[in-house]
Amino acid sequence: EVQLLESGGGLVQPGGSLRLSCAASGFTFSNYAMSWARQAPGKGLEWVSAISSSGGATYFADSVKDQFTISRDNSRNTLYLQMNSLRAEDTAIYYCARYCVGGSCLPYYGMDVWGQGTTVTVSS
Amino acid sequence: EIVLTQSPGTLSLSPGERATLSCRASQSVSSRYLAWYQQKPGLAPRLLIYGASSRATGIPDRFSGSGSGTDFTLTISRLEPEDFTVYYCQQFGTSRIIFGQGTRLEIK
Repeated sequence: EVQLLESGGGLVQPGGSLRLSCAASGFTFSNYAMSWARQAPGKGLEWVSAISSSGGATYFADSVKDQFTISRDNSRNTLYLQMNSLRAEDTAIYYCARYCVGGSCLPYYGMDVWGQGTTVTVSS
Repeated sequence: EIVLTQSPGTLSLSPGERATLSCRASQSVSSRYLAWYQQKPGLAPRLLIYGASSRATGIPDRFSGSGSGTDFTLTISRLEPEDFTVYYCQQFGTSRIIFGQGTRLEIK
């Protein structure tokens, strides 16, 4: 079964750091781009970051650029999101998703597999 | 920077009716890069439509997508009780990905 499982969320003080992990199983992780998205309480979805299958290319939303880092360990089938200088507005459920670049897992673009999410709360 | 605007914000219909949800882009986008998601309370989003009109695996055929350029539509032909939830469109750009703000489909 294709599955993604996030971990690493929790309560952190403003200005603190947190590293999220996303463990993949059921597919050849190294063949696929991956992405993070988040959802603040009661709000809509916001794309956060994406990384190519090799890890050589990374992309960030303007709201987190220079604050978050995305990486992956293909030998461990794991995706990471390093979050620094956290602010109250970073409070959200963070989802990882398999990012289908045209011709990989889908003929066109889409995010076809999602994890259940991990909750990050930034508060003093 | 492309902005996706979904309308209406909330749509009130009854089971068995037809739902038409709109997603308008601030500039023309390729259909290859337009997707739709369904999100139920407390759950992760689920991919419904990719490439503007292709149904994802396991999605019932009452869901269909259409459109091109700046105007895209998600249609649910006959609403089932489980369809009343929130829907998002998404656009894949060269170096960024954008979600619309969502449409809430509620029971009338």
